[in-house]
Amino acid sequence: GAVVSQHPSRVICKSGTSVKIECRSLDFQATTMFWYRQFPKQSLMLMATSNEGSKATYEQGVEKDKFLINHASLTLSTLTVTSAHPEDSSFYICSAERDSGANVLTFGAGSRLTVL
Amino acid sequence: GENVEQHPSTLSVQEGDSAVIKCTYSDSASNYFPWYKQELGKGPQLIIDIRSNVGEKKDQRIAVTLNKTAKHFSLHITETQPEDSAVYFCAASPNTGNQFYFGTGTSLTVIP
Repeated sequence: GAVVSQHPSRVICKSGTSVKIECRSLDFQATTMFWYRQFPKQSLMLMATSNEGSKATYEQGVEKDKFLINHASLTLSTLTVTSAHPEDSSFYICSAERDSGANVLTFGAGSRLTVL
Repeated sequence: GENVEQHPSTLSVQEGDSAVIKCTYSDSASNYFPWYKQELGKGPQLIIDIRSNVGEKKDQRIAVTLNKTAKHFSLHITETQPEDSAVYFCAASPNTGNQFYFGTGTSLTVIP
């Protein structure tokens, strides 16, 4: 079946540093990947849609200079939280659409970011 | 845009009983309705989905029903087990584009 790997699962960093989170589709090619943010006991909030070979599409209210997304290949998208601050602490989850147009998402296991 | 509401937010059932979670949506263009199970500290896992050309789908102890006229769909879990305890999210998606709109989640606890 479709597998999406997300790394790291947990990361702790100091305020002001940048953190990169990777999302890989292991057994399929993903033209489109999605990045979500989830606060405790809340639903998933779509941050941006990552498109292979082109710029990401950000949701309203999401700072594109703060959350840099790169989708350089059909199996890898990265989210970089730049100059992280404690309020950026959250659970970040990626997902990928296995078959373009099929509308079936496979999620990664998530990355817990803690900014001190 | 689409608005997905999910109820209840928390649900406790005795082991062996059934659990039902309901979602409503607003956009008649939505035609794909997946359900995800999320365990603590993990990403959501697709457990069942339904498309608008069918009214019901079943997979062992899990079933989903869809009423497109009323714009609501429900998840039914029968013979619940402690390992069913998790947060469940519904979602709605239109056929065009990749937008998924998630419900607010239901924390299900199955009491042994």
